[in-house]
Amino acid sequence: NAGVTQTPKFRILKIGQSMTLQCTQDMNHNYMYWYRQDPGMGLKLIYYSVGAGITDKGEVPNGYNVSRSTTEDFPLRLELAAPSQTSVYFCASREEGSRGYTFGSGTRLTVV
Amino acid sequence: QQQVKQSPQSLIVQKGGISIINCAYENTAFDYFPWYQQFPGKGPALLIAIRPDVSEKKEGRFTISFNKSAKQFSLHIMDSQPGDSATYFCAARPGTYKYIFGTGTRLKVLA
Repeated sequence: NAGVTQTPKFRILKIGQSMTLQCTQDMNHNYMYWYRQDPGMGLKLIYYSVGAGITDKGEVPNGYNVSRSTTEDFPLRLELAAPSQTSVYFCASREEGSRGYTFGSGTRLTVV
Repeated sequence: QQQVKQSPQSLIVQKGGISIINCAYENTAFDYFPWYQQFPGKGPALLIAIRPDVSEKKEGRFTISFNKSAKQFSLHIMDSQPGDSATYFCAARPGTYKYIFGTGTRLKVLA
C-alpha cells in the first residue's frame, strides 16, 4: 500500500517554464488536496477536490491549475513559473468520513 | 476569521522535559482540531486530534488541552525525547472539506 505518491521529488524550473506535479493515491480516497509550504508560513491550500471531476480553489490558487479525471490522480499544473512559486508542494488525501489527511512526501520546486 | 495562530515559532527543550505548543483561533465554527508532526524531508503526519466538546485528550506522551471559551488549544509533549525533534502544526477544520493550518513550531529536544 503506497499511500500518496508525489513525483518528482525535486525540480528546478526557469522563469516562464511550465510543469506538472503528479500526485497519485491508492487508497480510494475521495478528497484530495494540494498545499504549498513556505518557511515560517505553514501550509497554504492551493486547490482541493471532493471527487473525480470536481475541483475548487483554496487560499492561494493564482498561477496554478488542477484536474481530477480519476479518483486516484490529482495533478497540479504550473503555467509560466515565477520565483514566488519556489516552495515545497504537498499533496494529501482523505477518506470521506475520516478527519485525518494522508500526505505525500512532497516536491521541492525552485524557480530561477 | 479563517486563521489559526501558532506559537512559539521554535522551541528548544532538554531531554525529559515538557514541550508546550499553543494555538489560538477566532472562528467558532471550527469543529475539529488536529496536530500534525513533520520530520525533515517528509510530509506531515497526523499525531493527535480533539473535538471542541472535549477539554483534554491524551495519547501516550502527547496531550491536547482545549479551552473552548478562550478559543485556544495546546499540545503538550511529556518526557520529551530527541526523536520528538520535528516541526509541529496545529490545524482547525471550519466545518467544510479542508483544514486551516498554523504556521508551525520547530521543536528541538537536546540529548
